[in-house]
Amino acid sequence: NAGVMQNPRHLVRRRGQEARLRCSPMKGHSHVYWYRQLPEEGLKFMVYLQKENIIDESGMPKERFSAEFPKEGPSILRIQQVVRGDSAAYFCASGTSGGRINEQFFGPGTRLTVL
Amino acid sequence: AQKITQTQPGMFVQEKEAVTLDCTYDTSDQSYGLFWYKQPSSGEMIFLIYQGSYDEQNATEGRYSLNFQKARKSANLVISASQLGDSAMYFCAMRPAYSGNTPLVFGKGTRLSVIA
Repeated sequence: NAGVMQNPRHLVRRRGQEARLRCSPMKGHSHVYWYRQLPEEGLKFMVYLQKENIIDESGMPKERFSAEFPKEGPSILRIQQVVRGDSAAYFCASGTSGGRINEQFFGPGTRLTVL
Repeated sequence: AQKITQTQPGMFVQEKEAVTLDCTYDTSDQSYGLFWYKQPSSGEMIFLIYQGSYDEQNATEGRYSLNFQKARKSANLVISASQLGDSAMYFCAMRPAYSGNTPLVFGKGTRLSVIA
C-alpha cells in the first residue's frame, strides 16, 4: 500500500511565477490536509479538503493561494505570483474517518524555493 | 484555540541514555488527542505515538513512551536507550478528538542530537 505521494519533491520558481504542488493520498483515504513549514518552525495548517469539497481553509492566505481535491486525480495546492516569503516546505497529509486515532499520514513534502 | 509549547529548541543525549522531550498544551476541549512526530534530516514526518485525553494508561510504542499528565497539560515524550538514528527534530501536536478529522496543531519542535 503506497504511502502519501507528493510531487515534485523540490520546486524552484522565480518571483511572480506560479507553483503547483500535487498530493496523492493513501489508497482509501478521502481526507487531505495541507501544511506549511517555514525554516526552523513547526508545521502550520493551511487547508483541509475532502473529495470535491474544501472543508476548512482557515489557515490559507486569502490571496494567491488555492487548493482543490477533484473527484479524480491528486489534490493540488496552487500558489500564484509567488514571492520569496512563500519559500517553505509544503506537506500533504491524508486520513480517513472512523478510527480511534484518525491518524494523519504525511507525504515527504515539497520544498519550494522562490528566487 | 489550541496551542502547543515545546520549550527546548535543542537537546543532547548520550547514546544508550534516556531522554525526555517536553510538551505542554493548552485547550478548552475535554476530548483531544496528542501526537508526537519525528522529522529526520531527510524531511519526512514520521508518526511515533498517540495519547488520547481519556486514555487511562500512558501510551508506549517500543522505545517511545508518553508521560501524560492531564492536570498539568503536559505530554512529554520519553525515548529510552537512545540511538544515533534518533537524531532528528521532534514535534508535539494535538487536535480535538471528538471531531475526528480536524487539522493538527504543532509545536515548534525540539532538535535532538544523540552523541556517540
